[in-house]
Amino acid sequence: KNEVEQSPQNLTAQEGEFITINCSYSVGISALHWLQQHPGGGIVSLFMLSSGKKKHGRLIATINIQEKHSSLHITASHPRDSAVYICAAPNYGGSQGNLIFGKGTKLSVKP
Amino acid sequence: DSGVTQTPKHLITATGQRVTLRCSPRSGDLSVYWYQQSLDQGLQFLIQYYNGEERAKGNILERFSAQQFPDLHSELNLSSLELGDSALYFCASSVTGGADTQYFGPGTRLTVL
Repeated sequence: KNEVEQSPQNLTAQEGEFITINCSYSVGISALHWLQQHPGGGIVSLFMLSSGKKKHGRLIATINIQEKHSSLHITASHPRDSAVYICAAPNYGGSQGNLIFGKGTKLSVKP
Repeated sequence: DSGVTQTPKHLITATGQRVTLRCSPRSGDLSVYWYQQSLDQGLQFLIQYYNGEERAKGNILERFSAQQFPDLHSELNLSSLELGDSALYFCASSVTGGADTQYFGPGTRLTVL
């Protein structure tokens, strides 16, 4: 069974700062998910990545399959980025659909 | 808007009762997942269906059951409710049920009094 660890648990930043959230997992996988949960509770899938790097606007996700590690970066952070960011991996590794989740990183960006 | 719908949005009920949560996946998605999010446990996988068949089971209690119907909508039935079942219940859907993007519904907030 996979174990997913995220750090930091809480993060406070000033608007404009570069943010990094880390995620590590214990069992080899073919894809990792990054999710964003808004203060209202809704969950949005940000990225699903299996290798290298993906970019969407100010968000960049990277993964190193060999080291079982992924990072989510936010450039030029903005107060609207305040949310909980969650990484998730297939529960038993590989490419299964059912996921195990990290505990989340609560990000607060101050103006 | 993810295209996944869940009803009801909120549900308040008493211990010992039974409730049904409903999920309609995105058009074209064959797989449905149910997740529970409580304050102390975080997000946990409950069960997955693919095209009407159960594909994977996670930390789902025996008091809970689910099914996916021929039109691909899914229902999660929770019975003999306990205070600890109070949580947000999310449904997600994906095309293949494997390593593909999952689209989450808005969730149903269940409060058991």
